[in-house]
Amino acid sequence: DTAVSQTPKYLVTQMGNDKSIKCEQNLGHDTMYWYKQDSKKFLKIMFSYNNKELIINETVPNRFSPKSPDKAHLNLHINSLELGDSAVYFCASSQSGRAHNEQFFGPGTRLTVL
Amino acid sequence: GESVGLHLPTLSVQEGDNSIINCAYSNSASDYFIWYKQESGKGPQFIIDIRSNMDKRQGQRVTVLLNKTVKHLSLQIAATQPGDSAVYFCAEIERDDKIIFGKGTRLHILP
Repeated sequence: DTAVSQTPKYLVTQMGNDKSIKCEQNLGHDTMYWYKQDSKKFLKIMFSYNNKELIINETVPNRFSPKSPDKAHLNLHINSLELGDSAVYFCASSQSGRAHNEQFFGPGTRLTVL
Repeated sequence: GESVGLHLPTLSVQEGDNSIINCAYSNSASDYFIWYKQESGKGPQFIIDIRSNMDKRQGQRVTVLLNKTVKHLSLQIAATQPGDSAVYFCAEIERDDKIIFGKGTRLHILP
Protein backbone atom coordinates (compact mmCIF):
# COMPACT_ATOMS: atom_id res chain seq x y z
CA ASP A 1 0.00 0.00 0.00
CA THR A 2 1.22 3.46 -0.89
CA ALA A 3 2.16 5.44 2.23
CA VAL A 4 1.76 8.93 0.75
CA SER A 5 -0.37 9.23 -2.36
CA GLN A 6 -1.13 12.19 -4.59
CA THR A 7 -3.68 12.75 -7.33
CA PRO A 8 -3.43 13.49 -10.12
CA LYS A 9 0.05 12.42 -11.20
CA TYR A 10 -0.07 14.77 -14.18
CA LEU A 11 -2.07 17.96 -14.57
CA VAL A 12 -2.07 20.05 -17.73
CA THR A 13 -4.16 23.20 -17.70
CA GLN A 14 -4.53 26.67 -19.14
CA MET A 15 -3.34 29.90 -17.54
CA GLY A 16 -5.99 31.48 -15.35
CA ASN A 17 -7.66 28.21 -14.36
CA ASP A 18 -8.14 26.99 -10.80
CA LYS A 19 -6.96 23.50 -9.92
CA SER A 20 -6.49 21.25 -6.90
CA ILE A 21 -4.01 18.53 -6.04
CA LYS A 22 -4.96 15.98 -3.41
CA CYS A 23 -2.70 14.23 -0.92
CA GLU A 24 -3.39 11.42 1.50
CA GLN A 25 -1.13 9.58 3.93
CA ASN A 26 -1.93 6.31 5.69
CA LEU A 27 1.05 6.39 8.05
CA GLY A 28 -0.81 7.94 10.97
CA HIS A 29 1.51 10.95 10.86
CA ASP A 30 0.59 14.25 12.46
CA THR A 31 2.35 16.54 10.02
CA MET A 32 2.02 17.01 6.27
CA TYR A 33 3.88 19.24 3.85
CA TRP A 34 3.76 20.62 0.33
CA TYR A 35 6.95 21.17 -1.66
CA LYS A 36 7.56 22.66 -5.10
CA GLN A 37 10.34 21.31 -7.32
CA ASP A 38 11.24 23.44 -10.31
CA SER A 39 12.76 22.44 -13.65
CA LYS A 40 16.26 22.67 -12.16
CA LYS A 41 15.25 20.13 -9.50
CA PHE A 42 15.40 22.79 -6.79
CA LEU A 43 13.12 21.66 -3.95
CA LYS A 44 11.48 24.24 -1.70
CA ILE A 45 9.00 23.86 1.11
CA MET A 46 5.70 25.72 0.67
CA PHE A 47 3.49 24.73 3.59
CA SER A 48 3.41 22.51 6.63
CA TYR A 49 0.36 21.42 8.61
CA ASN A 50 0.42 19.77 12.01
CA ASN A 51 -2.84 18.18 13.13
CA LYS A 52 -4.79 20.26 10.60
CA GLU A 53 -3.13 23.48 11.76
CA LEU A 54 -0.83 25.57 9.54
CA ILE A 55 2.67 25.78 11.04
CA ILE A 56 4.87 26.79 8.11
CA ASN A 57 3.86 29.13 5.33
CA GLU A 58 6.83 30.13 3.24
CA THR A 59 6.72 33.05 0.85
CA VAL A 60 4.10 31.63 -1.45
CA PRO A 61 1.55 33.68 -3.43
CA ASN A 62 -1.86 33.68 -1.78
CA ARG A 63 -3.21 32.05 -4.94
CA PHE A 64 -2.00 28.86 -3.26
CA SER A 65 -4.24 27.68 -0.46
CA PRO A 66 -3.68 24.44 1.42
CA LYS A 67 -6.67 22.74 2.99
CA SER A 68 -6.52 19.97 5.57
CA PRO A 69 -9.92 18.33 6.19
CA ASP A 70 -8.30 15.85 8.60
CA LYS A 71 -4.77 14.95 9.58
CA ALA A 72 -4.51 12.27 6.88
CA HIS A 73 -5.23 14.70 4.04
CA LEU A 74 -3.63 17.91 2.83
CA ASN A 75 -4.92 19.29 -0.43
CA LEU A 76 -3.42 22.15 -2.41
CA HIS A 77 -5.71 24.51 -4.27
CA ILE A 78 -4.24 26.94 -6.79
CA ASN A 79 -6.22 29.87 -8.17
CA SER A 80 -5.53 31.80 -11.36
CA LEU A 81 -2.72 29.55 -12.51
CA GLU A 82 0.34 31.21 -14.06
CA LEU A 83 3.06 29.87 -16.34
CA GLY A 84 5.56 30.03 -13.48
CA ASP A 85 3.47 27.60 -11.45
CA SER A 86 4.60 24.80 -13.76
CA ALA A 87 6.60 22.43 -11.58
CA VAL A 88 6.41 19.11 -9.77
CA TYR A 89 4.56 19.38 -6.46
CA PHE A 90 5.37 16.91 -3.72
CA CYS A 91 3.36 16.12 -0.66
CA ALA A 92 5.16 14.64 2.36
CA SER A 93 4.35 13.58 5.89
CA SER A 94 6.26 13.05 9.13
CA GLN A 95 5.57 11.80 12.63
CA SER A 96 5.52 15.26 14.15
CA GLY A 97 6.14 18.86 13.21
CA ARG A 98 9.87 18.82 13.86
CA ALA A 99 11.84 18.97 10.60
CA HIS A 100 14.25 16.51 12.24
CA ASN A 101 11.73 13.75 11.79
CA GLU A 102 12.03 11.66 8.64
CA GLN A 103 9.71 12.89 5.94
CA PHE A 104 8.00 10.46 3.60
CA PHE A 105 7.32 11.90 0.17
CA GLY A 106 4.57 11.16 -2.29
CA PRO A 107 5.28 10.41 -5.97
CA GLY A 108 4.70 14.00 -7.06
CA THR A 109 2.22 15.80 -9.31
CA ARG A 110 3.64 17.33 -12.47
CA LEU A 111 1.72 20.54 -13.18
CA THR A 112 2.05 22.09 -16.62
CA VAL A 113 0.44 25.46 -17.21
CA LEU A 114 -0.01 26.40 -20.89
CA GLY B 1 34.53 12.63 -12.96
CA GLU B 2 32.36 15.55 -11.92
CA SER B 3 30.91 18.06 -14.32
CA VAL B 4 28.37 20.81 -14.24
CA GLY B 5 25.52 20.10 -16.62
CA LEU B 6 22.82 22.44 -17.80
CA HIS B 7 20.74 21.91 -14.70
CA LEU B 8 22.51 19.72 -12.19
CA PRO B 9 26.08 18.76 -11.46
CA THR B 10 26.57 15.15 -12.46
CA LEU B 11 28.91 12.59 -10.96
CA SER B 12 29.72 9.59 -13.14
CA VAL B 13 31.05 6.55 -11.32
CA GLN B 14 31.98 3.06 -12.46
CA GLU B 15 29.78 0.32 -11.05
CA GLY B 16 31.48 -1.19 -8.03
CA ASP B 17 33.53 1.91 -7.24
CA ASN B 18 32.86 4.19 -4.29
CA SER B 19 30.95 7.44 -4.84
CA ILE B 20 31.43 10.67 -2.94
CA ILE B 21 28.79 13.35 -3.28
CA ASN B 22 29.54 16.75 -1.79
CA CYS B 23 27.36 19.51 -0.45
CA ALA B 24 28.09 22.96 0.92
CA TYR B 25 25.53 24.29 3.37
CA SER B 26 24.87 27.89 4.21
CA ASN B 27 23.97 28.32 7.87
CA SER B 28 26.63 27.62 10.49
CA ALA B 29 23.85 27.47 13.11
CA SER B 30 22.09 24.53 11.41
CA ASP B 31 21.99 21.65 13.84
CA TYR B 32 20.83 18.72 11.75
CA PHE B 33 21.51 17.47 8.24
CA ILE B 34 19.85 14.90 6.01
CA TRP B 35 20.66 13.23 2.72
CA TYR B 36 17.80 12.36 0.38
CA LYS B 37 17.80 10.24 -2.77
CA GLN B 38 15.39 10.99 -5.60
CA GLU B 39 15.00 8.40 -8.34
CA SER B 40 13.54 9.38 -11.68
CA GLY B 41 9.80 9.99 -11.48
CA LYS B 42 9.66 9.52 -7.71
CA GLY B 43 9.67 11.63 -4.59
CA PRO B 44 12.78 12.11 -2.42
CA GLN B 45 13.60 9.30 -0.03
CA PHE B 46 15.47 9.62 3.27
CA ILE B 47 18.91 7.98 3.27
CA ILE B 48 20.80 9.06 6.36
CA ASP B 49 20.99 11.93 8.82
CA ILE B 50 23.58 13.46 11.12
CA ARG B 51 23.46 15.89 14.02
CA SER B 52 25.82 18.83 14.24
CA ASN B 53 27.57 17.37 17.30
CA MET B 54 28.84 14.46 15.18
CA ASP B 55 31.34 14.42 12.34
CA LYS B 56 30.60 10.97 10.91
CA ARG B 57 27.71 8.56 10.75
CA GLN B 58 27.52 5.23 8.99
CA GLY B 59 24.61 3.33 7.56
CA GLN B 60 24.34 0.38 5.26
CA ARG B 61 26.82 1.12 2.42
CA VAL B 62 26.52 4.85 3.12
CA THR B 63 28.56 7.19 5.28
CA VAL B 64 27.90 10.86 5.93
CA LEU B 65 30.75 13.17 6.92
CA LEU B 66 30.22 16.62 8.39
CA ASN B 67 32.88 19.31 8.47
CA LYS B 68 31.43 22.26 10.36
CA THR B 69 34.59 24.34 9.98
CA VAL B 70 34.06 24.69 6.24
CA LYS B 71 30.29 23.99 6.28
CA HIS B 72 30.67 20.91 4.15
CA LEU B 73 28.73 17.67 4.07
CA SER B 74 29.52 14.58 2.04
CA LEU B 75 27.78 11.31 1.27
CA GLN B 76 29.92 8.29 0.53
CA ILE B 77 28.34 5.28 -1.15
CA ALA B 78 30.40 2.10 -1.08
CA ALA B 79 30.45 -0.33 -4.01
CA THR B 80 28.07 1.72 -6.14
CA GLN B 81 25.30 -0.26 -7.83
CA PRO B 82 23.01 0.56 -10.77
CA GLY B 83 20.17 1.13 -8.31
CA ASP B 84 22.10 4.01 -6.82
CA SER B 85 21.46 6.10 -9.94
CA ALA B 86 19.45 9.07 -8.73
CA VAL B 87 19.64 12.72 -7.76
CA TYR B 88 20.99 13.21 -4.24
CA PHE B 89 20.07 16.19 -2.10
CA CYS B 90 21.50 17.37 1.14
CA ALA B 91 19.20 19.28 3.47
CA GLU B 92 20.00 21.40 6.49
CA ILE B 93 17.63 22.02 9.38
CA GLU B 94 18.04 25.45 10.89
CA ARG B 95 17.51 26.26 14.57
CA ASP B 96 13.98 27.51 13.84
CA ASP B 97 13.21 24.07 12.38
CA LYS B 98 13.23 25.34 8.81
CA ILE B 99 14.43 22.78 6.24
CA ILE B 100 16.50 23.99 3.31
CA PHE B 101 17.42 21.67 0.48
CA GLY B 102 20.67 21.91 -1.47
CA LYS B 103 20.77 22.00 -5.26
CA GLY B 104 21.16 18.28 -5.88
CA THR B 105 23.76 16.12 -7.62
CA ARG B 106 22.92 13.54 -10.24
CA LEU B 107 24.78 10.24 -9.76
CA HIS B 108 25.26 8.32 -12.99
CA ILE B 109 26.54 4.74 -12.83
CA LEU B 110 28.73 3.52 -15.66
CA PRO B 111 28.51 -0.20 -16.51
